[in-house]
Amino acid sequence: GAVVSQHPSWVICKSGTSVKIECRSLDFQATTMFWYRQFPKQSLMLMATSNEGSKATYEQGVEKDKFLINHASLTLSTLTVTSAHPEDSSFYICSARELLGANEQYFGPGTRLTVT
Amino acid sequence: QKEVEQNSGPLSVPEGAIASLNCTYSDRGSQSFFWYRQYSGKSPELIMFIYSNGDKEDGRFTAQLNKASQYVSLLIRDSQPSDSATYLCAVTPFSGGYNKLIFGAGTRLAVHP
Repeated sequence: GAVVSQHPSWVICKSGTSVKIECRSLDFQATTMFWYRQFPKQSLMLMATSNEGSKATYEQGVEKDKFLINHASLTLSTLTVTSAHPEDSSFYICSARELLGANEQYFGPGTRLTVT
Repeated sequence: QKEVEQNSGPLSVPEGAIASLNCTYSDRGSQSFFWYRQYSGKSPELIMFIYSNGDKEDGRFTAQLNKASQYVSLLIRDSQPSDSATYLCAVTPFSGGYNKLIFGAGTRLAVHP
C-alpha cells in the first residue's frame, strides 16, 4: 500500500518552455501533497504544500507564478514549471499524506528535469 | 540553529555491526518523528515513525525517542552493504501547518564488507 507515482520520470526541455509533472496516489486518498526539489548532494527542499480543492501554500522564496500547482482531486496533484531555465534543472519529488494516516508522507519516485 | 540537525557523515560501519544514526530537533512541541532512507539518485522511502518516548522496533531497525532531550535516533542491527544510503530524519513541528515535515540534511551511511 501507500504507493505514489510520478510522471514523467525524466524530462528534457528547452529554455523558455513549460513542463508539467503529475503526482498520483495510487492506492489511497491524499488530502495533502507536497512538492520538493533536490539539487545534487543537497537536502530536500520543500517548495509547496497543496491541498485538494484549495490554493497551494508556497515556501518562502518559491515563486508561485513560476511553479504552478494544481490539486484537482484526492489522488492527483500537478506541478507546472513555467518558462523553465537551466537553473530550474533539478530532481523534483512529490509526496502524499494519507487522509486517515498518521502524518507520514509517501514519496513518488521523482522527476529529473533538465533544461537546455 | 537548524530545526532538525543530523551529522552529515559519512558514518562508516563494518558489515554485521550496529549503525547508530542521531537527530536532534529544536521545536519542543514536535509531535511525530520519521526516518527515511534515500539511495543516491532515488526518492526517499519511509523506514519507520515514532510518537512516544522510548523504543520502537521493526525488524533490524529500532527508533528511539527522547522528547526531554529533543533527540531521536535510528539503530540498524546487522548492517548490510545494501543499507548504504543517506538517512533522513523528519519531524512534524508543533506549528507546522498542513502537517508538513521538517527534514534534516541527512546522514550518509556506508557499510563496508
